[in-house]
Amino acid sequence: EVQLLESGGGLIQPGKSLRLSCAASGFPFSSYAMSWVRQAPGKGLEWVSAVSATGDNTYYADSVKGQFTISRDNPKNMLYLQMNSLRGEDTAVYYCATVSFTGDYFHYWGHGTLVTVSS
Amino acid sequence: EIVLTQSPGTLSLSPGERATLSCRASQSVTSTHFVWYQQKPGQAPRLLIYGASSRATGIPDRFSGSGSGTDFTLTISRLEPEDFAVYYCQHYGSSFWTFGQGTKVEIK
Repeated sequence: EVQLLESGGGLIQPGKSLRLSCAASGFPFSSYAMSWVRQAPGKGLEWVSAVSATGDNTYYADSVKGQFTISRDNPKNMLYLQMNSLRGEDTAVYYCATVSFTGDYFHYWGHGTLVTVSS
Repeated sequence: EIVLTQSPGTLSLSPGERATLSCRASQSVTSTHFVWYQQKPGQAPRLLIYGASSRATGIPDRFSGSGSGTDFTLTISRLEPEDFAVYYCQHYGSSFWTFGQGTKVEIK
């Protein structure tokens, strides 16, 4: 069974940094591209970032480019999102998700971790 | 940048009725890269349809997707109580993934 378990969320002050983690199991992690998708309270889904299966290629939404860094540790089956200079508009539930082999869609999703940026 | 616009924002229907959800792209897109998700309150999104018309594993056949170019449709033939949720369309292109703003299907 595919499992994605996000952690690292919480209440953080504006301007601070936070690192989210996603522990993956039940599938060949190193064979799949992975992604982060976020959802602000009461709002829709927003793609944030993706990383190739090997970790060699990374992709970012314009809204987080230069602010967030995605990475992965394949031997540990872990995905990360380093978030710097956090702002109120970064408040959201952050989901990690597997990317299909064709790259078209997000097949499996974690339950999400809530990041609240507030003083 | 492609913008996806979903309509209506809210659809009020009764169980057993047919639901038709629309998603319009700001420019013509490849249908193989067009996707629909369902999200229930407090839950992660669930993949429903990929490639515009292919049902994901375990998705009942009352869900169907269609469309091409700029206009795509998700149809739920007969609403079951568990189908009342928010539905999002999504497109992939050039290493960017874009979501529509969602359509809420609520019980009338």
